[in-house]
Amino acid sequence: DQQVKQNSPSLSVQEGRISILNCDYTNSMFDYFLWYKKYPAEGPTFLISISSIKDKNEDGRFTVFLNKSAKHLSLHIVPSQPGDSAVYFCAASAGTYKYIFGTGTRLKVLA
Amino acid sequence: EPEVTQTPSHQVTQMGQEVILHCVPISNHLYFYWYRQILGQKVEFLVSFYNNEISEKSEIFDDQFSVERPDGSNFTLKIRSTKLEDSAMYFCASTFGTGVNEQFFGPGTRLTVL
Repeated sequence: DQQVKQNSPSLSVQEGRISILNCDYTNSMFDYFLWYKKYPAEGPTFLISISSIKDKNEDGRFTVFLNKSAKHLSLHIVPSQPGDSAVYFCAASAGTYKYIFGTGTRLKVLA
Repeated sequence: EPEVTQTPSHQVTQMGQEVILHCVPISNHLYFYWYRQILGQKVEFLVSFYNNEISEKSEIFDDQFSVERPDGSNFTLKIRSTKLEDSAMYFCASTFGTGVNEQFFGPGTRLTVL
């Protein structure tokens, strides 16, 4: 049951450039989306979220874009820094406290 | 900064044994969750808990699993008779508020079933 998909298992980006992480979903009932970052041996850390009534949310270097018609969201990190190297998960909720997570994308920012 | 804590960090057990994983959510949070991540796979929702009862659970959370908030600070996950496939990282999370918002995760407990 892959309601939330992250089709790129890994991504490498040069320091200072833009990182774009993508996420697709199939359940049209999802109305809240989040991005989490995870370092090895740690729990996921919340980064940024977006409600389905918006198409963009920005917080510092992080911007999340939501395209409801395409059931697609993306996380942009500009500029990318070596400390951003981690696994990034998108998660979605259909108005409940149950988050459905994607499989994650491992981002490596090269110095 | 307040954080969710979990103990132990690593638990090794024999198949068929009972394990209890411990979590201390952030003190003013009202909603509590357990997730698990099998190595190399996605983070999977297990259960949510509010007002001393389960509010939602996944198909993974069968009769072998139970949760409890034995006092005002702890939130536990019990697996009655562990199976090899229960080996995973188990994450506790908590959140405050009645709306859907970001959940704060603990560092996880790695459960290894031999």
